[in-house]
Amino acid sequence: EPEVTQTPSHQVTQMGQEVILRCVPISNHLYFYWYRQILGQKVEFLVSFYNNEISEKSEIFDDQFSVERPDGSNFTLKIRSTKLEDSAMYFCASRDRGSEKLFFGSGTQLSVL
Amino acid sequence: QKEVEQNSGPLSVPEGAIASLNCTYSDRGSQSFFWYRQYSGKSPELIMSIYSNGDKEDGRFTAQLNKASQYVSLLIRDSQPSDSATYLCAVNTRWNQFYFGTGTSLTVIP
Repeated sequence: EPEVTQTPSHQVTQMGQEVILRCVPISNHLYFYWYRQILGQKVEFLVSFYNNEISEKSEIFDDQFSVERPDGSNFTLKIRSTKLEDSAMYFCASRDRGSEKLFFGSGTQLSVL
Repeated sequence: QKEVEQNSGPLSVPEGAIASLNCTYSDRGSQSFFWYRQYSGKSPELIMSIYSNGDKEDGRFTAQLNKASQYVSLLIRDSQPSDSATYLCAVNTRWNQFYFGTGTSLTVIP
């Protein structure tokens, strides 16, 4: 079965540094999402992306976050100046136009020190 | 505020019993409802979707939806130890956003 691929699986960074989390959605999918899950807490919506632009974003997705689809396959989440509270598992998800089934990647565990 | 509420549990049931998981949502305009299963340290995996009032059955799983009460539930019949996981209720709002509840931790005791 096709799958969403995320890299790296773990990322450790110093507070204030920039990180880029990478995702390769399923090839024929058109809708892309980033979620985060702080340990022991719920899966939180960050942003959705369609047709090369952000379609919706949550209040968590402030100016320190950005998303980009730099080519036909990659979908990235950039955090400009990381904070301790950004430590979480970040999930990328994608879905096809005619389906509401979200396919999740295996996640990137971000640790900010 | 687009809230999805679940009882976080933990919920423990003996093997072979029925597990009942509940969820409420705040956005009355929500269109679609989902149950995801998440094993510890893993990503969520869709197990059921439901779009109209009533029951929907798939194998040992039955999803129930009551839009008037803004209530969704999941029943797992003949629970197995492999069903032990966190079950996430998710709602697709009218703005095409998928919001998740905090999840209910289920343990099936052999």
